[in-house]
Amino acid sequence: QKEVEQDPGPLSVPEGAIVSLNCTYSNSAFQYFMWYRQYSRKGPELLMYTYSSGNKEDGRFTAQVDKSSKYISLFIRDSQPSDSATYLCAMMDQAGTALIFGKGTTLSVSS
Amino acid sequence: NAGVTQTPKFQVLKTGQSMTLQCAQDMNHNSMYWYRQDPGMGLRLIYYSASEGTTDKGEVPNGYNVSRLNKREFSLRLESAAPSQTSVYFCASSPRGGDYGYTFGSGTRLTVV
Repeated sequence: QKEVEQDPGPLSVPEGAIVSLNCTYSNSAFQYFMWYRQYSRKGPELLMYTYSSGNKEDGRFTAQVDKSSKYISLFIRDSQPSDSATYLCAMMDQAGTALIFGKGTTLSVSS
Repeated sequence: NAGVTQTPKFQVLKTGQSMTLQCAQDMNHNSMYWYRQDPGMGLRLIYYSASEGTTDKGEVPNGYNVSRLNKREFSLRLESAAPSQTSVYFCASSPRGGDYGYTFGSGTRLTVV
């Protein structure tokens, strides 16, 4: 079993839809959870950061961490065509030295 | 503010040739990383440098070597390129250890024929 699992999609939604992206993980020691957005032929950029459990909101984006279920989510409200990208989850434990990434979910938002 | 700069952006190599991918950051970060990204495989760690003067292997180090030249620069060398090393290579940096996230470069697209 891979440490971090992420459905690659692709996921296609109409403009204005609510999008839910998810990752599951196996290492209960993970404490740092992140979401990166990667546009085609670009490097990933940090979108959301959460330490331990709970929710974090930033504009149209909400990140949730459920450590009891080893499950993290990214919600995008009022999705826009500019949100079309690949979304990568990433996580690390307290003693870790490098992030472990999911394989990424490709999202397409049509106008 | 340039962030993380990678050179070259594109490269085609013949099997057996060698080359060095360059990476430099101007954010005074301590930690630097090299990842490769392949379709269906995600980002996989090749090598990392937790601080100046140290380097360690990641998940897929075979066929690669690295040098942390100074605090700013971290290079990746392919001594004898193989078609299996065709990939997109990303350099990243972080203030320390990755717990505050990485800043990535724009990548090097490498094709080995």
